[in-house]
Amino acid sequence: DTGVSQNPRHKITKRGQNVTFRCDPISEHNRLYWYRQTLGQGPEFLTYFQNEAQLEKSRLLSDRFSAERPKGSFSTLEIQRTEQGDSAMYLCASSSPLAGGTGELFFGEGSRLTVL
Amino acid sequence: QKEVEQNSGPLSVPEGAIASLNCTYSDRGSQSFFWYRQYSGKSPELIMFIYSNGDKEDGRFTAQLNKASQYVSLLIRDSQPSDSATYLCAVGSYNTDKLIFGTGTRLQVFP
Repeated sequence: DTGVSQNPRHKITKRGQNVTFRCDPISEHNRLYWYRQTLGQGPEFLTYFQNEAQLEKSRLLSDRFSAERPKGSFSTLEIQRTEQGDSAMYLCASSSPLAGGTGELFFGEGSRLTVL
Repeated sequence: QKEVEQNSGPLSVPEGAIASLNCTYSDRGSQSFFWYRQYSGKSPELIMFIYSNGDKEDGRFTAQLNKASQYVSLLIRDSQPSDSATYLCAVGSYNTDKLIFGTGTRLQVFP
């Protein structure tokens, strides 16, 4: 399978616990994005990487959220001290824009987080 | 004003009809426009993209872009029940390297 892979697909945790999600992008894609989606809303941008460099973070992203992409390959998104408001689908996407702009984003299946 | 606006629906059309989905955007610097389909509980799947004013056709799907009116639409011809899903409009620009999504329009195609 050469698509975007995310795991775990589902995570149930108690408030205050830390969780980590992993994303493996399409191998030749140099850009990797994290989005969050709640019921009835469109995906909301969190952050993105070009190779290993994190180039933009949403102002909405609290300091409890951290993302890494060591060596420009897979990425992890960690949420510390989870809150019930963090419950959402966390979507990873990758792209390889030919020139300028964003290019098409290809999404993984998502990681659904439920915070009790 | 939201950056990308869509009517949340639901838009209900009979099987075989044309479904018309609309999207407006606020950033005049927007350069790239995407339509994604999302089934319930699944992730968004790219259907089409359009960069230039006018129409772009791919099978039963036609994307239409009018930059002067800051308007993009998706037409689905010969709608099928399997087309029932939420359709997300996404917009990108050279000022930013991310896509901004609308809230999506839920389409229901009934037999």
